Amino acid sequence: DTGVSQNPRHKITKRGQNVTFRCDPISEHNRLYWYRQTLGQGPEFLTYFQNEAQLEKSRLLSDRFSAERPKGSFSTLEIQRTEQGDSAMYLCASSLMGQGADGYTFGSGTRLTVV
Amino acid sequence: AQSVTQLDSHVSVSEGTPVLLRCNYSSSYSPSLFWYVQHPNKGLQLLLKYTSAATLVKGINGFEAEFKKSETSFHLTKPSAHMSDAAEYFCVVTPYSSASKIIFGSGTRLSIRP
Repeated sequence: DTGVSQNPRHKITKRGQNVTFRCDPISEHNRLYWYRQTLGQGPEFLTYFQNEAQLEKSRLLSDRFSAERPKGSFSTLEIQRTEQGDSAMYLCASSLMGQGADGYTFGSGTRLTVV
Repeated sequence: AQSVTQLDSHVSVSEGTPVLLRCNYSSSYSPSLFWYVQHPNKGLQLLLKYTSAATLVKGINGFEAEFKKSETSFHLTKPSAHMSDAAEYFCVVTPYSSASKIIFGSGTRLSIRP
C-alpha cells in the first residue's frame, strides 16, 4: 500500500463545468476525509465518511458539491457548475476509526483551477 | 469551539540558526495539539503531537514543541535549521485525541537562507 492516492493531480476547467476528483485511501482505513486548502490558508474541513456513511458535512460544502464513498473504499468529490471561487487544493485523508490527527494519512491533493 | 492562530505567516532564518514558529490555541476542553509540515507537491506529514502527557514534545527531524497552558501556546522550535526544513508548517487542534475533525491554523512558511 503506497498511501493515499488522489487523481488527478491538477485540473483546469472552465467556469460552469462539472469536475470530479477521486481519492483512494489506505485500504484498511475506514475513515476518509475531504479538506479544501486555498492559497495562504490552512486546510478547511469539508466532509468525512466512516465506511460508506457520510457522517458530517461542513457548511462550506454547498449544494453544488457532492461526495460519495459507495463501497467504503475509494471516494469521489464532484463539483457542479464550478465557480472561480472553487479554485483550491482539495485534500483527502484517511484514518482508522478512533484515531485522531496523528492517525491521519494525507494524499498529495488535487489542485483545481477554474478559469 | 476550537481554533488556532499562527502568529507569523512567513519566517526566514539562516541555515544553522534556531527556528521558532509560533502558535496560540483556543479550546473549551483540554485540547490535543499537533504540528504538520507540507513540502511542495507532497502530502501533509505529522511532525509531532501533544495529548496531555509530557508538555515538551519531541518530533521528527529534530523539531520540538512545548505546551504552555497558561499562555495557551504550542510553539514549534528547532535548534539548528537545515535547508531541507523549508516548507509550510501548520498548527492543528482537536478537542480530544480521537476527534474526527481537525482544525488547521493558516500556516507559516519557513524559508532557510544559505
